[in-house]
Amino acid sequence: NAGVTQTPKFQVLKTGQSMTLQCAQDMNHNSMYWYRQDPGMGLRLIYYSASEGTTDKGEVPNGYNVSRLNKREFSLRLESAAPSQTSVYFCASTNSGFYEQYFGPGTRLTVT
Amino acid sequence: AQSVTQLDSHVSVSEGTPVLLRCNYSSSYSPSLFWYVQHPNKGLQLLLKYTSAATLVKGINGFEAEFKKSETSFHLTKPSAHMSDAAEYFCVVSDRGNSGYSTLTFGKGTMLLVSP
Repeated sequence: NAGVTQTPKFQVLKTGQSMTLQCAQDMNHNSMYWYRQDPGMGLRLIYYSASEGTTDKGEVPNGYNVSRLNKREFSLRLESAAPSQTSVYFCASTNSGFYEQYFGPGTRLTVT
Repeated sequence: AQSVTQLDSHVSVSEGTPVLLRCNYSSSYSPSLFWYVQHPNKGLQLLLKYTSAATLVKGINGFEAEFKKSETSFHLTKPSAHMSDAAEYFCVVSDRGNSGYSTLTFGKGTMLLVSP
């Protein structure tokens, strides 16, 4: 039981490049989330998927897109990376009705 | 709308002394409240949670928190700090919406520094 896994762990992009962050969970959770963490800001919600087939914007969705590929996988895409997207990205999941979320190890992204 | 205020960005204690990390919240609904810990360059680990049962909640590693509705507070305490407690701590509120799923709102974090 790996919990929530994220790939890659580290990534460096140039401005304008695109990439996809992958997230998978093996806990049969219905809901999945993407956050970004910046110093002094806590974690801010980018997008979430309450259940398979649905996605919704969070607090800071601009510049990102998501895909809920199936119940296990939820990906985050940066179409044209900007330096302001330099951050640590966390994926999380939870079962509906149980409100604590379980977090992956994070992806550290640098955009130059 | 829900929000969380962590009253201290940094707290410094000596090993063996008590720890107090302060958190105030606001929520339109009956909230669930959590404390998460993040060690350097690591992910987030759940320390404890309040979900409308007992107001004094015990968590891992000797931490506990008390839900005080009248004060809208959920402060985290530990009787005796250990060097391994040095980390960043996040107070989190969850909106129990009618849709059956939750979104979390994080405080900005409190860095706990423990000196020998």
